Amino acid sequence: RKEVEQDPGPFNVPEGATVAFNCTYSNSASQSFFWYRQDCRKEPKLLMSVYSSGNEDGRFTAQLNRASQYISLLIRDSKLSDSATYLCVVNNLNSGYALNFGKGTSLLVTP
Amino acid sequence: DGGITQSPKYLFRKEGQNVTLSCEQNLNHDAMYWYRQDPGQGLRLIYYSQIVNDFQKGDIAEGYSVSREKKESFPLTVTSAQKNPTAFYLCAVAGFGNEQFFGPGTRLTVL
Repeated sequence: RKEVEQDPGPFNVPEGATVAFNCTYSNSASQSFFWYRQDCRKEPKLLMSVYSSGNEDGRFTAQLNRASQYISLLIRDSKLSDSATYLCVVNNLNSGYALNFGKGTSLLVTP
Repeated sequence: DGGITQSPKYLFRKEGQNVTLSCEQNLNHDAMYWYRQDPGQGLRLIYYSQIVNDFQKGDIAEGYSVSREKKESFPLTVTSAQKNPTAFYLCAVAGFGNEQFFGPGTRLTVL
């Protein structure tokens, strides 16, 4: 079983739409959770950390369900500039705070 | 200007050659990591170092070697023993909340 699993998409949505991405992780002892954004042929960039109580940063809301080992990202009022691949990331308990990455979910926001 | 630099941006290797990828940081962080990314795949951990003069193998260390003689530098050598080295190589530095920040990456192609 993969450590972190995501729906690869692609998700094609019109500008202004709300879109949600989901992710599951296999290690119940994982402690740190993140969403990264990766543009084509670029390095991943931290979008936001995910906290147990849920957290929001502008149009982005992240949720964590430890019981179900499930993480979500909600993007409201999508912009063309949100088009990217979104990576669900969980810390790797066996490798000195290294991270386990999902393969990513592709989002295309269209005019 | 603070950050993480990687060089070169593009690298071409002939079969049987060893090549070294550079990663430098001036963020004064202890932990550094090397990942590789293949098309449509998640990042996979090659090596990591939590302190100078110490490093550990990640999930796919075979065919790679590293050194950590200075806090600022963590070079990766791709040896001829790595049978499929064509990939996007990313160096990362750990932040204080277990998040990681990436350099711009090196694209290695075997000719």
